[in-house]
Amino acid sequence: GDSVTQMEGPVTLSEEAFLTINCTYTATGYPSLFWYVQYPGEGLQLLLKATKADDKGSNKGFEATYRKETTSFHLEKGSVQVSDSAVYFCALSDPGNAGNMLTFGGGTRLMVKP
Amino acid sequence: DTEVTQTPKHLVMGMTNKKSLKCEQHMGHRAMYWYKQKAKKPPELMFVYSYEKLSINESVPSRFSPECPNSSLLNLHLHALQPEDSALYLCASSQEPRLAGVGDTQYFGPGTRLTVL
Repeated sequence: GDSVTQMEGPVTLSEEAFLTINCTYTATGYPSLFWYVQYPGEGLQLLLKATKADDKGSNKGFEATYRKETTSFHLEKGSVQVSDSAVYFCALSDPGNAGNMLTFGGGTRLMVKP
Repeated sequence: DTEVTQTPKHLVMGMTNKKSLKCEQHMGHRAMYWYKQKAKKPPELMFVYSYEKLSINESVPSRFSPECPNSSLLNLHLHALQPEDSALYLCASSQEPRLAGVGDTQYFGPGTRLTVL
């Protein structure tokens, strides 16, 4: 079956530091890949997505590139802010699965200190 | 606009109560989802509605009863819940559940924080 593995947190960084959150996946089909962000007390927000190999998703300074050869979709940001403190979920949607179900990673909590 | 709304934001109920959660979207999406999220965990899929018909029920206990009155609305009726059902309940929608060859993007609402006493 499909699975997503992401680095365990919490990840603690100082403001303006470089961020990488690793995400790798296994899938039976050719999945679309997503990063969702959840701020404290809120629902999930779509951060970025990529639907085919070598696509780069980007939003709000965050980037992730769909690497089929390494089955990875690592999230990066050049300079984090305190407001980026949240939980980040990597997810995939495999069109081979019925119902367009999302498979989530376990989530990575990011804490940014001033 | 990619907004999914959910009401109420918070709900406290006793084990003998009956309550309902409501979800609404006006994006013309034809798939709607209910998820349950416990603290420090990813969301777990409960139900999927496709074109207003229940297409997936992930072995959810019958004390949770979903309803899709029309393409914009999704309800979750709650009855005789247990304290372990306390969680954040998230609704999501996506445009086309059978889009061939491409995983469809799900958009989430802000959730209902449910506490069962």
